[in-house]
Order: sequence, then C-alpha cells, then structure tokens
Amino acid sequence: AQSVTQLDSHVSVSEGTPVLLRCNYSSSYSPSLFWYVQHPNKGLQLLLKYTSAATLVKGINGFEAEFKKSETSFHLTKPSAHMSDAAEYFCVVSESVSGGSNYKLTFGKGTLLTVNP
Amino acid sequence: SAVISQKPSRDICQRGTSLTIQCQVDSQVTMMFWYRQQPGQSLTLIATANQGSEATYESGFVIDKFPISRPNLTFSTLTVSNMSPEDSSIYLCSVRGQGSGYTFGSGTRLTVV
Repeated sequence: AQSVTQLDSHVSVSEGTPVLLRCNYSSSYSPSLFWYVQHPNKGLQLLLKYTSAATLVKGINGFEAEFKKSETSFHLTKPSAHMSDAAEYFCVVSESVSGGSNYKLTFGKGTLLTVNP
Repeated sequence: SAVISQKPSRDICQRGTSLTIQCQVDSQVTMMFWYRQQPGQSLTLIATANQGSEATYESGFVIDKFPISRPNLTFSTLTVSNMSPEDSSIYLCSVRGQGSGYTFGSGTRLTVV
C-alpha cells in the first residue's frame, strides 16, 4: 500500500527567501511522484513529476524536487519565493495497483504556503 | 495534456436531493477518477471508472450513494445521492494522460443545506 506524509501543514516564508516543502512516501512498487498546487478557489495544477528518470526534477515557476530513494523523500524547493506562490501544495504518489495498469493516486494532506512581503 | 470540462462549477442543494456532476474530456481515456475534497482536507479517491465496466469504489464509498456512469471514453458522471450537509465538499474528476501525468477538472463546489 502506498502513503504520503507531508511533514508540515503550514510553511511561512518571506518573499525572496527559499522555500522547502517536505514530503515522505511509502510505496510497495516503483512509484511515480508528483507535486500539485491549488490556489484559492482554483483547480489543481501539476508542478512537476518524477517517473524513474532523472532524480532531480524541474517543474514550472522555478520549483524543483529531488527524489531520494534511500530517504523515501521527494521534497519541493524553490530558491526564491514570490507572492504568487502562496497556495496549497500537495505531494502525490502513484503506483500500479496489483501490478496492473489501474494506477491510483494517493494525496498527502497538503502544505499551506504563506509568503510574507 | 487532456482538457477536462466539469460542470456544474458549484451548486447549493437541499438535503435529501441528488446532484449529478459531469466531466467531458477532449480526448479518449481509459480510466477516469472521481475525488472528494472535504473542507480544509486533502483529496480522497471515491472511485475509478472504466468504460464498459462497473466502477471500482474505494473503502468507505458505495455505489448507492455515489453512482457513476461511464457511457463512452470521453464522458463520465458522478451522482451524489440523498445528500446531507456532510456531503458538502469539492468533487473533482481526473484522467491519466500521456507520460503518467494526471489532469484534473476544475471541480464542483457542493453545499448542502
């Protein structure tokens, strides 16, 4: 069974400072991992995804994440926060159920990022 | 990536009634997924809908409460039946696109009064 733990429910940073949103996962198979962002009253937008290629994944809006199998982590980072980054961020794991093609997503509980001026 | 049109975007419903949510995809997809996002919570998978077969429901969700139709490879509906205030949530559909990415509909914000 797969699971996702987002270690911080709320992260607050100042504009221009680095962002770190932490995510640990558990998976029985080789997982795919994603970060999604949800702005208030908006839909989910894919930031980036890891699918067993390069372990350092670059996404949109300057975000990147590093897959560390030994640590079962997939932390999201950005060198310099912008006010528009304020949103809810979800770490998501996907694995094939029963080794077949019926992929299932499991969402973390989310991390609310606040960016202070 | 696929584009999903989901409607209605929001609704306010009386308890005891039912609401049907529709998702239209601009390309053919094998699997469609329905999620619930309760206020302040993360997304929880309700069921997986494959065309031509019964939907597969997750633990805690039953067909009588959340019947799903999947008449073709581009369309699906989720009905929330006999609603109570506890059903007030955002409901989203999703499809798995090329390269293992997933696309989500914009969501239906349901309030039951």
